[in-house]
Amino acid sequence: DGGITQSPKYLFRKEGQNVTLSCEQNLNHDAMYWYRQDPGQGLRLIYYSQIVNDFQKGDIAEGYSVSREKKESFPLTVTSAQKNPTAFYLCASSEDWYNEQFFGPGTRLTVL
Amino acid sequence: KQEVTQIPAALSVPEGENLVLNCSFTDSAIYNLQWFRQDPGKGLTSLLLIQSSQREQTSGRLNASLDKSSGRSTLYIAASQPGDSATYLCAVPYPSAGKSTFGDGTTLTVKP
Repeated sequence: DGGITQSPKYLFRKEGQNVTLSCEQNLNHDAMYWYRQDPGQGLRLIYYSQIVNDFQKGDIAEGYSVSREKKESFPLTVTSAQKNPTAFYLCASSEDWYNEQFFGPGTRLTVL
Repeated sequence: KQEVTQIPAALSVPEGENLVLNCSFTDSAIYNLQWFRQDPGKGLTSLLLIQSSQREQTSGRLNASLDKSSGRSTLYIAASQPGDSATYLCAVPYPSAGKSTFGDGTTLTVKP
């Protein structure tokens, strides 16, 4: 089956820890995205990548880092510099940046 | 800067009613417009993508229209059902930014 997978589904982090969220797609898409969603709010773009080995900051990149070493993978690291990381994180991909976006099931991160 | 607005933020209707959800955007230079559905705690599911050259796109009980000149799109849901209860979001790829802008969504409740 083609699609986007995110793992883990739930993640708990202690303050001061870095954690990495996984996003994998087998759709052969060039573009990938990370969004953050807080309760009752819309999506905010964290980072996006239009092609392998290249990525750009979105609207709320501070405290986050990404890599795009492989076309199918776009992991997101939430660093200790992110002061309020508790949120729902969504990964998406599209053939090109302007094409139809497909989303993964999300990872819910909670800081203890 | 492209801004996308969805009004109302919440809508409650009785089962069987036909309804319209609205999406407004400020910059008419768009490639397409995409409508999504999001169930609580889940990722976004793509419903319809309407190209800038199209006026309408249909899928089952859903019909999306696009009027670039007025900066508006509507999602028409016919004969609503309780299973249609969800948050509906629209998104517009913004050429000068190389990414998409999302509305905050309309949360629909269909009462049995």
